[in-house]
Amino acid sequence: RKEVEQDPGPFNVPEGATVAFNCTYSNSASQSFFWYRQDCRKEPKLLMSVYSSGNEDGRFTAQLNRASQYISLLIRDSKLSDSATYLCAVNAEYGNKLVFGAGTILRVKS
Amino acid sequence: IAGITQAPTSQILAAGRRMTLRCTQDMRHNAMYWYRQDLGLGLRLIHYSNTAGTTGKGEVPDGYSVSRANTDDFPLTLASAVPSQTSVYFCASSRDVNTGELFFGEGSRLTVL
Repeated sequence: RKEVEQDPGPFNVPEGATVAFNCTYSNSASQSFFWYRQDCRKEPKLLMSVYSSGNEDGRFTAQLNRASQYISLLIRDSKLSDSATYLCAVNAEYGNKLVFGAGTILRVKS
Repeated sequence: IAGITQAPTSQILAAGRRMTLRCTQDMRHNAMYWYRQDLGLGLRLIHYSNTAGTTGKGEVPDGYSVSRANTDDFPLTLASAVPSQTSVYFCASSRDVNTGELFFGEGSRLTVL
């Protein structure tokens, strides 16, 4: 089993839609969780951290479910500019290095 | 603009050749990392450095070496390139090893023939 798994998608949604992605992790001792965004042929950039209490930033909400070992990202009122690959990242079993999922592709269409 | 600079941005290399990918950051971050990104596999950690003078192995270190002589530079060397090392390589840094916010360079696309 991979340490961090994501549905690769693509998720094709119309503008204005609400879309959610999940990311499962295997290490129950993981403490740090993040969502990164990667545009086509560009470098990943931090979107938001995921706290135990959840985290909201505008149209984006991230949540952590420790019991089921997954994190989620909810995007409300999708924009064309939200089209990207969303990577989840979890601290690894070895040291405290981040392990990334393979990413979920989101395509927002007009 | 402050950040991470990688070079070259793209390179085609014959198998068996030696290649060094350069990475420089000007943010005075303590920790630096090299990842490779392959379709369907995501980002995989090759090597890391918690601070100048120290390095460690990541998930896929075989065939690669790194050095960290100072805070700013973290070169990645392929001693004898093989086709399976064809990938996009990203260098990243973070304020320290416990910080989850990584800043990435723009990547180096390497093709080994």
